[in-house]
Parts: sequence; C-alpha cells; structure tokens
Amino acid sequence: DADVTQTPRNRITKTGKRIMLECSQTKGHDRMYWYRQDPGLGLRLIYYSFDVKDINKGEISDGYSVSRQAQAKFSLSLESAIPNQTALYFCATSDPWGGPRRNEQFFGPGTRLTVL
Amino acid sequence: DQQVKQNSPSLSVQEGRISILNCDYTNSMFDYFLWYKKYPAEGPTFLISISSIKDKNEDGRFTVFLNKSAKHLSLHIVPSQPGDSAVYFCAQNFGNEKLTFGTGTRLTIIP
Repeated sequence: DADVTQTPRNRITKTGKRIMLECSQTKGHDRMYWYRQDPGLGLRLIYYSFDVKDINKGEISDGYSVSRQAQAKFSLSLESAIPNQTALYFCATSDPWGGPRRNEQFFGPGTRLTVL
Repeated sequence: DQQVKQNSPSLSVQEGRISILNCDYTNSMFDYFLWYKKYPAEGPTFLISISSIKDKNEDGRFTVFLNKSAKHLSLHIVPSQPGDSAVYFCAQNFGNEKLTFGTGTRLTIIP
C-alpha cells in the first residue's frame, strides 16, 4: 500500500549532536511537510516543500534544516540538538492535484526524539 | 492571525452516546477545515472535512458542523464507540495546502 515512512521511529541523543530524521513516501505526492508535536501545543509546521527545488520555512524553523533529495524523500536535520527539541516529529505529504482530497495531508507514523 | 483553538484538552463520553468536539478559529479568509484522529504511536489520519460552501458534512457516524458567523466548528460522533478513543485535531487550510492545527482534544469512550 502506498505509504509514508519515517526513520528512525525513536532516537535518544545528547545536546550538541547532529541528528537527521528521514521521510520517504510511495504516494507520488509532490508536496511534503515536517511537523513537530509537543504536549498541549498541537502540530506545528517546521518546513515544507512543494517540489524538489522548492523549500519553505514554517512557523518554527529555527534550529532545523531540511533537504529534499528526490520527490519521494524529505529529510529533517537538527544541526546541534538541544533539549527543547525533544518532541514527536511527523512527516506528511499532499497532492495538489488530488481533486476532492487535495487539501488532505497524509502523515507518517512519527519519530520520537529525546535530546538529553 | 492564524489561530485554531480547541479549548477542551480532554473529553470523556459513555459508549453509545454522542461525542461533541469543538474548535474555534480567528481567520475567516480561508474556510476549509479538516478533522484528524490520532492514536498513540501513530501519525494523524484524516477523518472528515468541510468547506465554507457547506454548513454540515456527514460521513457515517461522523458529522462536522460549520458556523461561519461564530467562527466555530464541531465534530459529532454518534454513537460513540470504544475505538473512537483517540486525540482529535481540527485544522484550517490556509491555501497552498498549508494546515494550521489546533492543540487537540483527547476523547475517551467509557464502555
């Protein structure tokens, strides 16, 4: 089944380390997104990409960077992790040509990141 | 201002009864809303949506109501089932498929 996958599913790291979270999709969607979820704050947009050559900052991009290696792959990096980046991270995709479902985003299972 | 608010962090409902989850928004320029459901250790999954041309959208046990004058939407689940226990997020589409999410409501269905 077409899917959105994220690796790793869980990661514990130390302050100052560089971390990369990876997202792959087999849906053939052009648009991809990274969100973080914190308790009581819902999901907040970090970065989004409408195609391979397009990268845009979301509302909380400081401390993060992304790379869109291909239509199917969108990676999120924390250059120097800090404890307040401990959160659940979700990747999502959408299809602007998806007809009635064009406004819908499809989410991966998430990565739980802990920064000590 | 792009705020979406879910003022009830949690809600408990008896199995078989109606569950009503509420959401308020501030920016009425983009009137397309979605509800997502999230189980532990899984990503959010799309549940139902509504656009400003409608006041109501129904899909099986799930109905979403939109009150544009009050900038308020609600999700009704009837009858509630144990499998409905999850966190529910409302989201507003601000164009370009960008979504702004509320903080979520944890629904617990009591058998």
